[in-house]
Amino acid sequence: LAKTTQPISMDSYEGQEVNITCSHNNIATNDYITWYQQFPSQGPRFIIQGYKTKVTNEVASLFIPADRKSSTLSLPRVSLSDTAVYYCLVGPARGYQKVTFGTGTKLQVIP
Amino acid sequence: EAGVTQFPSHSVIEKGQTVTLRCDPISGHDNLYWYRRVMGKEIKFLLHFVKESKQDESGMPNNRFLAERTGGTYSTLKVQPAELEDSGVYFCASSQEGGLSYNEQFFGPGTRLTVL
Repeated sequence: LAKTTQPISMDSYEGQEVNITCSHNNIATNDYITWYQQFPSQGPRFIIQGYKTKVTNEVASLFIPADRKSSTLSLPRVSLSDTAVYYCLVGPARGYQKVTFGTGTKLQVIP
Repeated sequence: EAGVTQFPSHSVIEKGQTVTLRCDPISGHDNLYWYRRVMGKEIKFLLHFVKESKQDESGMPNNRFLAERTGGTYSTLKVQPAELEDSGVYFCASSQEGGLSYNEQFFGPGTRLTVL
């Protein structure tokens, strides 16, 4: 499974757009990029997944450059309730579905 | 639709005792996973069930841990005897085979285990 590197922590003011970048230099051809969010005292929650270019849903956008060696999770206009740990994961698209978590990025939204 | 539930939410036991954690996956989800986070560490995979069969138990730390999923519904994780280093949060997750999004696992709230 490809190793990922992301910032340990970030602070942001409410209302700002937050971008969290994850490096995955050894990503394999059949790997997908998935982001999970974890609030304190809760289990991780899937938020978005992509393979290339851009993916957008009601929660976030995911930007993946052509070489796929990194990806950026974009959270528009964050609120205090977005304070959480965000995990970037990469893994194959078929078969075994073990999820490997890294250290994650602790996002603190400030009023 | 009910999510993944875990019981208990918190358990405090003494070293040497036995504890059994329970996980009820989302109805219809064949895949069930156990993970744990020990103090200050990353969330680590323990094992993966497909229905009642153990698909992968490579993350189980030692033979003091026993996971079962009789009938392919709920699962239990027994720690016997518990050691101090077993303290942490144990997460259960489930997923549906052939779901729209790969690796969209639905996690429970976790069971916090404290071994004194």
